[in-house]
Amino acid sequence: DAKTTQPTSMDCAEGRAANLPCNHSTISGNEYVYWYRQIHSQGPQYIIHGLKNNETNEMASLIITEDRKSSTLILPHATLRDTAVYYCIVRANFGNEKLTFGTGTRLTIIP
Amino acid sequence: GAVVSQHPSWVICKSGTSVKIECRSLDFQATTMFWYRQFPKQSLMLMATSNEGSKATYEQGVEKDKFLINHASLTLSTLTVTSAHPEDSSFYICSARGGTGMQPQHFGDGTRLSIL
Repeated sequence: DAKTTQPTSMDCAEGRAANLPCNHSTISGNEYVYWYRQIHSQGPQYIIHGLKNNETNEMASLIITEDRKSSTLILPHATLRDTAVYYCIVRANFGNEKLTFGTGTRLTIIP
Repeated sequence: GAVVSQHPSWVICKSGTSVKIECRSLDFQATTMFWYRQFPKQSLMLMATSNEGSKATYEQGVEKDKFLINHASLTLSTLTVTSAHPEDSSFYICSARGGTGMQPQHFGDGTRLSIL
């Protein structure tokens, strides 16, 4: 699996958009970008994934650069409940390819 | 949709006993299930991958005789920690995936295991 690089921590004001960057410069053509988050003492929660086009769902938007070497997860209107560790993971789309969790970004939403 | 239920949420038991943790996909058929372990202030580490009706594939360094995995149906996988010792105390999390390879994994809420 390609490695990802994320900032260790970020703060964001409540009600503002939270933009979480991720670098994945060695991503392969068949690897998707997945985002998960983990709130303290809970299992990870799936947020969104994409291959090369930008994606949006009810939780977030995923912006992937044209060269696919980086992406940004956008939480449009952050709330206190969005405080969590956010993981950016790249994974091939076949077989039992596993998710390899790095250290993620600890996002703190400030009132 | 895509709900994964894990039971129990927490368990405390004496050293030397065996503990079984259940992982169920409630609203989809899980062709593949995964078991992770997470120590305090660390990230999730994959222990094993299992497909329904097949033997689990364990990650390097994970003892298959100590961590028994059974994936007998498309909605249920179990992890049994045999002869548990204090060093096995951890947060155990399962995930499940249905359909094709690009489908995301969905995670249970984890089981906190404490061995005294």
